[in-house]
Amino acid sequence: ETGVTQSPTHLIKTRGQQVTLRCSSQSGHNTVSWYQQALGQGPQFIFQYYREEENGRGNFPPRFSGLQFPNYSSELNVNALELDDSALYLCASSLQGPGGNTIYFGEGSWLTVV
Amino acid sequence: GENVEQHPSTLSVQEGDSAVIKCTYSDSASNYFPWYKQELGKRPQLIIDIRSNVGEKKDQRIAVTLNKTAKHFSLHITETQPEDSAVYFCAASITGTASKLTFGTGTRLQVTL
Repeated sequence: ETGVTQSPTHLIKTRGQQVTLRCSSQSGHNTVSWYQQALGQGPQFIFQYYREEENGRGNFPPRFSGLQFPNYSSELNVNALELDDSALYLCASSLQGPGGNTIYFGEGSWLTVV
Repeated sequence: GENVEQHPSTLSVQEGDSAVIKCTYSDSASNYFPWYKQELGKRPQLIIDIRSNVGEKKDQRIAVTLNKTAKHFSLHITETQPEDSAVYFCAASITGTASKLTFGTGTRLQVTL
């Protein structure tokens, strides 16, 4: 167990809809990042949140957005869903600071867009 | 940006044999290199990591080596067991931004009896 929890675990949405995924980070961790893992591929970095602000973004369009709350939990929002958004969405938490930051993944949210 | 290449894409070994997976990275500023094991339908699990101030790290049957000059690092699994069968991913990042991992494309390891 990593202490990182995500919800929902599975969901099905229709193309054009919007989805919100949620993540609770491991206790004491102040940084949350989100990854998209399409079937058969490695995880792709979407963005990272530190102290409630976006702190780095991968190659994803603006319809992917997020929030981090004062308790360090986080949301990933995706608007105008496309079929290619079907993937496993992974939340990862870490403690940003000197010495490097081991990250731990949650179980993920499986999103299917039909 | 960083680019991580991983080889081989599939690897089949007999139980008890060793397995080696290799990765190369492009950004010389990268200094943190974790390895993840992912079983079917599950999250990636960190199995070992190495930082650039160390050339080798070992944890029981698993070891990782790093060659900063050549910008490549490798995962070594000795005395493989059927439960080692999974997809393995290497990744690279820069300390301080370590949650911004760039992953390799994965290696599907199959350990046969």
